[in-house]
Formats: sequence, structure tokens, C-alpha cells
Amino acid sequence: KAGVTQTPRYLIKTRGQQVTLSCSPISGHRSVSWYQQTPGQGLQFLFEYFSETQRNKGNFPGRFSGRQFSNSRSEMNVSTLELGDSALYLCASSLIPGATNTEAFFGQGTRLTVV
Amino acid sequence: DAKTTQPNSMESNEEEPVHLPCNHSTISGTDYIHWYRQLPSQGPEYVIHGLTSNVNNRMASLAIAEDRKSSTLILHRATLRDAAVYYCIPNNAGNMLTFGGGTRLMVKP
Repeated sequence: KAGVTQTPRYLIKTRGQQVTLSCSPISGHRSVSWYQQTPGQGLQFLFEYFSETQRNKGNFPGRFSGRQFSNSRSEMNVSTLELGDSALYLCASSLIPGATNTEAFFGQGTRLTVV
Repeated sequence: DAKTTQPNSMESNEEEPVHLPCNHSTISGTDYIHWYRQLPSQGPEYVIHGLTSNVNNRMASLAIAEDRKSSTLILHRATLRDAAVYYCIPNNAGNMLTFGGGTRLMVKP
């Protein structure tokens, strides 16, 4: 079956703009999480969605937001982009939220560059 | 969340076994120990997980200490394709993973 699909793969934006990234989870998976990966901070959890509701949120400013649709697809939005938002944004899907004995499946990520 | 300690980097020869250690001394009794790896230019990939007993799958083996304060990921025959950053993650929150710095594994031909 198809894996986690993230679009677009690459994006270049200007400071002050906003951006929307998309994630389609594995069919049947209802939990979608987002992560930011930078060379300085490593992989950091942004937020998790389940049944169209944000279930958990990491320590990021309000400029970072997300949503989930009824088909479990998710989007994340970053407003008023800053240079420091340049990063690889990763999406992970899982069958059940909060289940610690099941694996998460990651997409290949969206590489965002802010200039 | 339990803190983990892993070597920053390790080196191995191709076709030899590799033992990647992880200390997680503050792990709680119900946290599963997960291992993920991230190949260059890709998203993390699940490798294996376990609770108390040693576990095997087609990719690797996981040896868990009796007191659960440490674990070791074992790649039985390293290949060039196994060169990646390996993350050990005590999981207490499902799809909300806390990644540490991981171990960068380099495999020499």
C-alpha cells in the first residue's frame, strides 16, 4: 500500500510570507503528527492530529498551525515566515494515537527554504 | 520523557555485526523502546521496538537489559545501505516521538 505522501517536496518562500504543507497518511491511519528538523535543533515534534482534532502540541509559536480533514489528510501552515523556519518538515502517520507499541510511518518530508 | 544517551557516531565494516547502544535510565515501566533510523535525505524509518524481552525482525535485533535502563540495537551484517542516523526513543505517547541526537553509523566497504 502507498506510504505517507508529503507535498510539495521542496519550497522556497520569502520572509513574511505564509506556507501550507500537505500530508496524506497511509490508508486507514488516523493519527498524523508533524515534526520540524533543523541542523541545530534536530527533530522536534510540532503537533499531532486525530479525528480532525489537535491532540498534542509541541513548543512552537502560534505561527505554526495545522488541521486535519475527515479523510485524515493533514495540512500545516506557517505564517509570517522567518529565516529560522527553514527546515525539513516531516509528517508521520500511525494507526492509533497514543499506542506506544505500534510504529509511526514517516513521509520523505518537505524541504522549506526561507529567503 | 525519559532522556536517552547514545554515542554521537560509530563506524563499522561492511558485512560485520554492529551493536548500537542506548542508555535510558529514567525510562518508565510502561514505555516501549523504539528504534528508528534516518537515511540521508529521507524521513525516519521504523526499525524495531520492544518492552522487556529481546526482539527480532527482518531488519535487526533488539536486546533490552533486564533493568530496562539500556538497550542495544544489533544489525547482524551491516551493509552500505545501513549507513544512517539511528535513534533510540522510549515511547510513552504513541505518535508523539521525542528524538534525541541519535548515533550516526558509518559503514566502510
